[in-house]
Order: sequence, then C-alpha cells, then structure tokens
Amino acid sequence: GAVVSQHPSWVICKSGTSVKIECRSLDFQATTMFWYRQFPKQSLMLMATSNEGSKATYEQGVEKDKFLINHASLTLSTLTVTSAHPEDSSFYICSAPGQFKPYEQYFGPGTRLTVT
Amino acid sequence: GEDVEQSLFLSVREGDSSVINCTYTDSSSTYLYWYKQEPGAGLQLLTYIFSNMDMKQDQRLTVLLNKKDKHLSLRIADTQTGDSAIYFCAEEWGGNQFYFGTGTSLTVIP
Repeated sequence: GAVVSQHPSWVICKSGTSVKIECRSLDFQATTMFWYRQFPKQSLMLMATSNEGSKATYEQGVEKDKFLINHASLTLSTLTVTSAHPEDSSFYICSAPGQFKPYEQYFGPGTRLTVT
Repeated sequence: GEDVEQSLFLSVREGDSSVINCTYTDSSSTYLYWYKQEPGAGLQLLTYIFSNMDMKQDQRLTVLLNKKDKHLSLRIADTQTGDSAIYFCAEEWGGNQFYFGTGTSLTVIP
C-alpha cells in the first residue's frame, strides 16, 4: 500500500525557535496533503490542507503565520512551527488521500514536538 | 461534519466482543471509516463503509451504520490483547477531507 513518511519523528526545541516537519509520499503523488494536530489522549484536529502549487487552506482558529505550510512538490509538504512556544508541544500527523474512492487516507507516523 | 462523538473508554476481557460507538453529524458523508492508533504511532485504516450500506463484515470486524440516527458502530469479535489501542471513527467531507471522532481507548484485559 501507499506509504507516507514524516521527519523527524521526534524533536525537542527551545522556546522561540522554529521547527520544520516534513511529510513525504513515498510511492505515490499527492497534490493534497493534510496536517493534523493531536493532543495527548485526544482526537486529531485538522489544521490545514496543503495544496501543491498553491496556498494552504487553514481551518478556523489555526494561525497561518504560526504554522507555515509549503507544498513544494507532488511528494513533499512541510509544516514549519514558527517561534515555537510550550503550548505548541503536540503530536503532528500528516496524511495524503488515495486517488480513488473511498479515498483512503494514508497517514504518516507522526512527529512528536516538545518545546521547552 | 465537525461533531463526531465517541465514548472515551472501553474495557473488555480477552475473547469477548467489543463494540465501539460513534455518532456523526454530516448526513452527506459518502463514506465512514474506522481507524486504529497504537501508542505513539500514526493511524491505520481498519475498515470503511459506504453510506448506502447498513452493515459490512470483514473478518473479526463488523461495521453497522444507522443513517437515520447518524450512528456508526464497530464490533470486534474475539477481542485480543493486540487490539488494545485508540479507535477513531471518521467521516469524509468535501471529497477527501476527514473529520475524526474523539477516539475510544480500548483496553483488553487478559
């Protein structure tokens, strides 16, 4: 089946720095990718839709200047958490949809971000 | 499709059946899904059901859909310790956007 990877799987950064998380579709092309955030013992919250060649679409309440998304190619989307703060600590997961119904979503393994 | 609710916790004994329930709000969803998340890992698709179906069986998994009540359930027969995980239902919205339920943490007691 299709594989989505994320890098890094785990990152610790200091408050005020920026962190970039990569999401790659390894054996298929993805014109759209999704970024989710998951707090401990909670559900996934859709943050934004990453669109290849155009601007990302952000969900209500998600700061676009804080969470910069770049969909540079058909296999790579990046999420940059700018000026990170401890409240940004979370598990970030990306996904890419399959091409055909039922549009199975292929999920990356997630990135654990801890901001100290 | 933003309000997808599940009960938070479920404990069952090994060998028993587990039933995880989900209520959703968007009646226009074409497909509804069940995902499994093991600790520290991403999500794994377990099964899905097309909205014009009432039931789908896939080995130990049975999905029931009551479209009138917007209620979806996942039954796991002969639950094993390896089934311990968080289970999310999800509804598809707008072609390929998903809204996830709050997740049900299943604990299987040996």
